[in-house]
Amino acid sequence: ETVMTQSPTSMSTSIGERVTLNCKASQSVGINVDWYQQTPGQSPKLLIYGASNRHTGVPDRFTGSGFGRDFTLTISNVEAEDLAVYYCLQYGSIPYTFGAGTKLELK
Amino acid sequence: QVQLKETGPGLVQPTQTLSITCTVSGFSLTSYYMQWVRQTPGKGLEWMGFIRSGGSTEYNSEFKSRLSISRDTSKNQVFLKMNSLKTEDTGVYYCARGVGLMDAWGQGASVTVSS
Repeated sequence: ETVMTQSPTSMSTSIGERVTLNCKASQSVGINVDWYQQTPGQSPKLLIYGASNRHTGVPDRFTGSGFGRDFTLTISNVEAEDLAVYYCLQYGSIPYTFGAGTKLELK
Repeated sequence: QVQLKETGPGLVQPTQTLSITCTVSGFSLTSYYMQWVRQTPGKGLEWMGFIRSGGSTEYNSEFKSRLSISRDTSKNQVFLKMNSLKTEDTGVYYCARGVGLMDAWGQGASVTVSS
């Protein structure tokens, strides 16, 4: 099973700042990584697929990058609506596996 | 408009079987993979398995011995059945469309396993 390790577990930010969230796979998954955003009481919402492709309607302040084992999600110019938990998912091998999440909070 | 909605029992007793139905609209099950993902306090988000657009299935070996995914394309429904429930299976169960690129999710069915 491919373990996805997200860091940090939580981070505090201010509105307008730039933040980088990390996800490291225990083995290579190519570009087979998605990023999801989840707010309290809601279902996960797709942000990035294929490591770097922004899903339809996702603001361009969200950028995904990476290949192989190391992946990042960068949020430029954080807005209040971005305060949420972010999960990476690998679908390069079965079982698909999620990271434990990074909680983005207001400083 | 793409919609997914899970319906389930809410409360299930330990050792019993969980059955959840995902009813979809706005697209055809014969064109998309359908996933089941759960979220539990103990393990967070877990991929459980999927049914392909052609009808074959793949399961997470974590659940393989007690999990079954099926569908009725005429009713636009996907089914999850899991037996031998334990208290650790308490959580929210989601159906989602797609493989990688899970672009539509249901609101989730909350399940409590308790006697």
